[in-house]
Amino acid sequence: DIQMTQSPSTLSASVGDIVTITCRASQSISNWLAWYQQKPGKAPKVLIYKAIALQGGVPSRFSGSGSGTEFTLTISSLQADDFATYYCQQYHSYSYTFGQGTKLEIK
Amino acid sequence: QVQLVESGGGVVQPGRSLRLSCTASGFTFNNYGMHWVRQAPGKGLEWVAVIWHDGSNKYYGDSVKGRFIISRDNSKNMLYLQMNSVRAEDTAVYYCAKDGPYDSSGKYYMDVWGEGTTVTVSS
Repeated sequence: DIQMTQSPSTLSASVGDIVTITCRASQSISNWLAWYQQKPGKAPKVLIYKAIALQGGVPSRFSGSGSGTEFTLTISSLQADDFATYYCQQYHSYSYTFGQGTKLEIK
Repeated sequence: QVQLVESGGGVVQPGRSLRLSCTASGFTFNNYGMHWVRQAPGKGLEWVAVIWHDGSNKYYGDSVKGRFIISRDNSKNMLYLQMNSVRAEDTAVYYCAKDGPYDSSGKYYMDVWGEGTTVTVSS
């Protein structure tokens, strides 16, 4: 199965900062990668699909990059509403593996 | 609007069975593959199972293979997860989620999620 590894596990930042979360796949997944945001007690919400495509309704401060095995999620000008946990997920194979998550905390 | 509502969660004893349901509305259900994803308390997301739009193919995560069965009834806009021989490690919030829009590659992310139903396995 394809393994997905996110870094860092926890990230402390301030409103207005630019933050980057990295996701690595154990083998090439082309661009079949999605990023989700989850707030406590809530369902995940998709932000990015196909590694770089912004889901409708998602603010443009979110962006994705990468292909193959290395991917990044960047949040430019962090807002208070962005403090949450973020997950990457591969959908290249029928194991749909998630990364372990990155918790974005207020500094 | 597109909506998914899970039900059927509760407390179940180890070794017993439970069936979860997901009621879909606001979209043409039989056009989309559907997933179950779970999240143990304080842990990350774990994909459980997927079923194709017409029920012709089903895939499972290794931790539930041979114990859980995903199914759907397109005439009722319903998705199900039959959980058999449950274990303590199956304790989690279970989410249903739908595939994203049609892609010629046949590869889909999950674009809409329900709010989840909680399953607790305990004696």
